[in-house]
Amino acid sequence: QVQLQESGPGLVKPSETLSLTCSVSGGSISNNYWNWIRQPPGKGLEWIGYILHPGTTIYNPSLKSRVTISVDTSKSQFSLKLTSVTPADTAIYYCARGVVVVPDWFDPWGQGALVTVSS
Amino acid sequence: DIQMTQSPSSLSASVGDRVTITCRASQTISTYLNWYQQKPGKAPEVLIYAASSLQSGVPSRFSGSGSGTDFTLTISSLQPEDFATYYCQQSYSTPKTFGGGTKVEIK
Repeated sequence: QVQLQESGPGLVKPSETLSLTCSVSGGSISNNYWNWIRQPPGKGLEWIGYILHPGTTIYNPSLKSRVTISVDTSKSQFSLKLTSVTPADTAIYYCARGVVVVPDWFDPWGQGALVTVSS
Repeated sequence: DIQMTQSPSSLSASVGDRVTITCRASQTISTYLNWYQQKPGKAPEVLIYAASSLQSGVPSRFSGSGSGTDFTLTISSLQPEDFATYYCQQSYSTPKTFGGGTKVEIK
């Protein structure tokens, strides 16, 4: 079955760019849509955005000016870039598949990657 | 944005209890409502999609109901492995939004 795994730096300095990659195995990245979701420690879940192959993206308006999601089909990976980070961006970042049916849902999720924004 | 409001935010219950969690949307979302379970240190997992459809592999003691703006997740007989935090999520429109969560604790 499809499995997702996040990777990237666990510590980012304020004002810099957070970059994470999600590796997809067990299925084609050309189907479905691929999401980033975050969760500040001890808090709730916030949807960041998604990409639908080959390149349609939808972002949360609250983050839209700072977010870019891209896909590399050859590597079966999709990526998140979040610019100008502050400590408020400290969170566990999850990647998740969006099932392409209506209504849709997130399944499966990666295990999550904790990113701390601190100098 | 569609706001999702869950209640209660936490509850204490005993093994074998029937537990009900509610979720209210700020506008009608038909049955575009999903429920997730999150255990400490783990990613969320879908339990119920489209308001009432049980995800494959999820025990039948979990059920969902509702449409429009009001939804319910019910655990018919709480088991030790069910102590976790539960989130509702609307997929009616973007940005996709989650409820604040309901933490189910052992009484």
